[in-house]
Amino acid sequence: GAVVSQHPSWVICKSGTSVKIECRSLDFQATTMFWYRQFPKQSLMLMATSNEGSKATYEQGVEKDKFLINHASLTLSTLTVTSAHPEDSSFYICSADGYYGYTFGSGTRLTVV
Amino acid sequence: QKEVEQDPGPLSVPEGAIVSLNCTYSNSAFQYFMWYRQYSRKGPELLMYTYSSGNKEDGRFTAQVDKSSKYISLFIRDSQPSDSATYLCATANQAGTALIFGKGTTLSVSS
Repeated sequence: GAVVSQHPSWVICKSGTSVKIECRSLDFQATTMFWYRQFPKQSLMLMATSNEGSKATYEQGVEKDKFLINHASLTLSTLTVTSAHPEDSSFYICSADGYYGYTFGSGTRLTVV
Repeated sequence: QKEVEQDPGPLSVPEGAIVSLNCTYSNSAFQYFMWYRQYSRKGPELLMYTYSSGNKEDGRFTAQVDKSSKYISLFIRDSQPSDSATYLCATANQAGTALIFGKGTTLSVSS
């Protein structure tokens, strides 16, 4: 079956620093990857869609300069939260679309202090 | 109106009960319908996938899609404590496009 590995699973950082989250498809090539954010007791909200080798498409209201997405290969996409602030604390989840359909990573819990 | 509406619950049932989870959606262009299970602090896990209208059964789980009423359901038979989780419905209008999720229903099955 399809596996998407997401790292780190949790991270605590100081306000003003940057954090990088990796999403890897381990046994398939993902032409498209999606990044979601989930607040407690809320649904997954799409942040951006990334295609290998091209710029990500961001949803309305998501700051592209704050949430940098790089999809450099068919198996790796990264989300960098730049100059993080406490309001960026959330659960970030990636999803890869490949031969097996949509497969989700295990999520990254970001806490900004 | 949100594109996908789902009652967040919580829903509490005794072990062995039949559970019915439901979502409604507004966009008639949606063709792909999924149910995901999410445990606390984990990524969603695909349970059921349906294309267009109809029923699909997999073990204790049955998914139904009624496109005429824009209504999707997940039934869990003989519910178990291990079924306790948040269940999310999701839709898409084309393969390869981002999924749109409902809010999720939190289910608790007591032994």
